[in-house]
Parts: sequence; C-alpha cells; structure tokens
Amino acid sequence: SQQGEEDPQALSIQEGENATMNCSYKTSINNLQWYRQNSGRGLVHLILIRSNEREKHSGRLRVTLDTSKKSSSLLITASRAADTASYFCATGEPIQGAQKLVFGQGTRLTINP
Amino acid sequence: DAGITQSPRHKVTETGTPVTLRCHQTENHRYMYWYRQDPGHGLRLIHYSYGVKDTDKGEVSDGYSVSRSKTEDFLLTLESATSSQTSVYFCAISESFRDNEQFFGPGTRLTVL
Repeated sequence: SQQGEEDPQALSIQEGENATMNCSYKTSINNLQWYRQNSGRGLVHLILIRSNEREKHSGRLRVTLDTSKKSSSLLITASRAADTASYFCATGEPIQGAQKLVFGQGTRLTINP
Repeated sequence: DAGITQSPRHKVTETGTPVTLRCHQTENHRYMYWYRQDPGHGLRLIHYSYGVKDTDKGEVSDGYSVSRSKTEDFLLTLESATSSQTSVYFCAISESFRDNEQFFGPGTRLTVL
C-alpha cells in the first residue's frame, strides 16, 4: 500500500527558479522524510520532519508539514541543473521491531539550463 | 554512499534459478532493509532486519527469503526466480528506530528471462 502521493508527477522549470513538490498521506505518522534519486542511483536522504514540527530548512531546501491536512511540501530554491532528479516523500510507520518507510511514487524534476 | 555496497550490480538469470543478492555495510547500523523499485509502484519493502538473526517480512515478501548472520551482511534470496521479479533491488540501512533515516546502496538491476 502506498502512503505518500507526490504531486506533480513531473515538473520542468528553468534554472534559478524555485521548485515546489507536494506530498499527501493517509494515516498518522511519526515523521515524514524526503529523498532524492538521481537516474540509475540509490536514494539519498534529504531531510526529516517530525510530526510535531511544522517547518524545517536545510540549505536551499524548505519542508513544511501540515498534519491536519496530512500533507507536506518540499521547496527547492534557486534551482540548479544538478537538482534534476526524482524526489520521493516517505512516511515512517511502526512495524515489528523496527519502523518502515512507505514511499510515494515520486516527482520527476527537470531543471533546464 | 554511507558505506553500503551491493553485489552483484547487474545480473541476468533464467526463470526457475535461485539468485542471491548481497548487501554489505561498514556502518555497524542495526537495521537493514531490502526494497524493490518498479515503474508505477515506487519502492516497496520486501524484508527487513532489526538485528542479527532477527528478520521479518515486508509488503512484497512472497518468493523471497533473507538471512542476516552478521551485522554487516544482509542477503536476499529469490528461491526460484520468476519474470515478475525483474526489478531494481535496493538495500538500505538505518541506525535509529525513532527517526529511521535510511541510507541506500547503489542498487542491483536483476533481469529474469
């Protein structure tokens, strides 16, 4: 079952513009994380926001979380060609002995020079 | 890539043959995970481990088994490979139960003919 659903599925912008991606989820969460995946590579952890946090920053990344709407957004400011990648949100859910991540299908971001 | 390697990186095999994929970490993290990534499905959890010899099933575990005899190694076995198991397989590790930030390996591309 999928928890996070990203929107849009694909986004193409010019270098220097800001990119915003959204994620919606269905059930209560412990935290929400964003990951980046470059073509043919593994996922890279970008940022984690806990359920009691509303906003978090890391460099050019800004993540917001609205638990009342069960949604999160990832903003990348001043985009660069190197930001071209797929971006996934993932929600943490407890399982036997551990905590699993449930991933959405991702947003494919293309930064045009 | 946080001290995680996967082997082999690419494999082509025939239906009905057993296949073992290896994940090796040098981070001494307690938790290890196997995912598969398919178009239209995102990443789905196959099996996970929360300690040496402690493993459990994820959401798509049928046809797969795992073993973890040492902290650093987590093996995924396809008992009798089928074409539906053609996929990209990712191993991930995490240190913390609470936040569960995961670090991913480079992936193994498996083709079952």
